[in-house]
Amino acid sequence: DAGVTQSPTHLIKTRGQQVTLRCSPKSGHDTVSWYQQALGQGPQFIFQYYEEEERQRGNFPDRFSGHQFPNYSSELNVNALLLGDSALYLCASSWGTANTEAFFGQGTRLTVV
Amino acid sequence: KNQVEQSPQSLIILEGKNCTLQCNYTVSPFSNLRWYKQDTGRGPVSLTIMTFSENTKSNGRYTATLDADTKQSSLHITASQLSDSASYICVVSGPGNLIFGKGTKLSVKP
Repeated sequence: DAGVTQSPTHLIKTRGQQVTLRCSPKSGHDTVSWYQQALGQGPQFIFQYYEEEERQRGNFPDRFSGHQFPNYSSELNVNALLLGDSALYLCASSWGTANTEAFFGQGTRLTVV
Repeated sequence: KNQVEQSPQSLIILEGKNCTLQCNYTVSPFSNLRWYKQDTGRGPVSLTIMTFSENTKSNGRYTATLDADTKQSSLHITASQLSDSASYICVVSGPGNLIFGKGTKLSVKP
């Protein structure tokens, strides 16, 4: 039973570029949440997808967008990258939206130069 | 404002010793409280999850306690091992999403 998988594991982008990160949820899970974790900080909630729709959103600008596919996998897109977007991006999957236990992927380390 | 505060920020202990990490929260409504272990550069791994009606829950050498009246939780690690070196994050399930503390960075030295 594969857990939550994220790709790529590491990524270096230039300021102003766009990036797409991918997440496959744990088998049996239908909800995907994305988090940004700056160095030395706790994860910050970006948004949550359920039934291919964005259900909740944290305090992040519109440059951050996402998508969920029929197979429950998800993408996080960030446009017009800023140096401050450098962080570990975590994907968590769960079943339903009622705060059931969440399982995290290993994260994607994004560096913006 | 919904917040989760953890203490201490960092802790160094000798292998074999016990330690206790603290978590205070002001999240309302409260659904459950979780402790995660996060190795550097990796995703968090769940240690325990407790609802408001549970006072204690163990997972091997890890024991979490919860006082829903005072909105405090602790994570006790017994007989620490070098592999326990990591960040321990307290996460409270609030109104619709998870609210994370900043974590306690634990270093276990030989």
